[in-house]
Amino acid sequence: NAGVMQNPRHLVRRRGQEARLRCSPVKGHSHVYWYRQLPEEGLKFMVYLQKENIIDESGMPKERFSAEFPKEGPSILRIQQVVRGDSAAYFCASSIHKNTEAFFGQGTRLTVV
Amino acid sequence: DAKTTQPPSMDCAEGRAANLPCNHSTISGNEYVYWYRQIHSQGPQYIIHGLKNNETNEMASLIITEDRKSSTLILPHATLRDTAVYYCIVRVEDSNYQLIWGAGTKLIIKP
Repeated sequence: NAGVMQNPRHLVRRRGQEARLRCSPVKGHSHVYWYRQLPEEGLKFMVYLQKENIIDESGMPKERFSAEFPKEGPSILRIQQVVRGDSAAYFCASSIHKNTEAFFGQGTRLTVV
Repeated sequence: DAKTTQPPSMDCAEGRAANLPCNHSTISGNEYVYWYRQIHSQGPQYIIHGLKNNETNEMASLIITEDRKSSTLILPHATLRDTAVYYCIVRVEDSNYQLIWGAGTKLIIKP
């Protein structure tokens, strides 16, 4: 897990607010992946980005969710107008190539109240 | 749906070898078997992966059957810190990393 930094570790938002989750990949990694995990379940793929480009967003809801990985700075997963069902752990992973093993961050636990 | 099936939970005595099975009967010829583990409240940690040959690294050994329909992850000398959920995943080598995770096996190491 060394190197992938996610913040905040815990985030509480009221229904209708926006949540912004940040992920700094391992230095030199240009491939970033976001996953969501509900309690007692495995991770669910959301989106795959490669520096400034969204490669695959098939696991991300069409409404309210967006992701970016700018040329400078961390990758951001944004959830607008959060609802209780968005409460989950969100994990970011990075890899140096798309077909090499990914390293995961510690996750952001989002609670919507 | 996950392409693998694993027992929901297992116990192992500290110091003994932990053998975690995984069935992947529909695996394709170009799909690798990956193992990750997740210690409570932490991010998943890569353990090992293989295609058809057995693999070993500093953490574990991976034994893949000749027909590739199942595999076993072996932790040779389990410690209490190995208590975690272990995920077996099949993945196309050149995929966009759209891993499909099942519920995994909750391994509890007992003193």
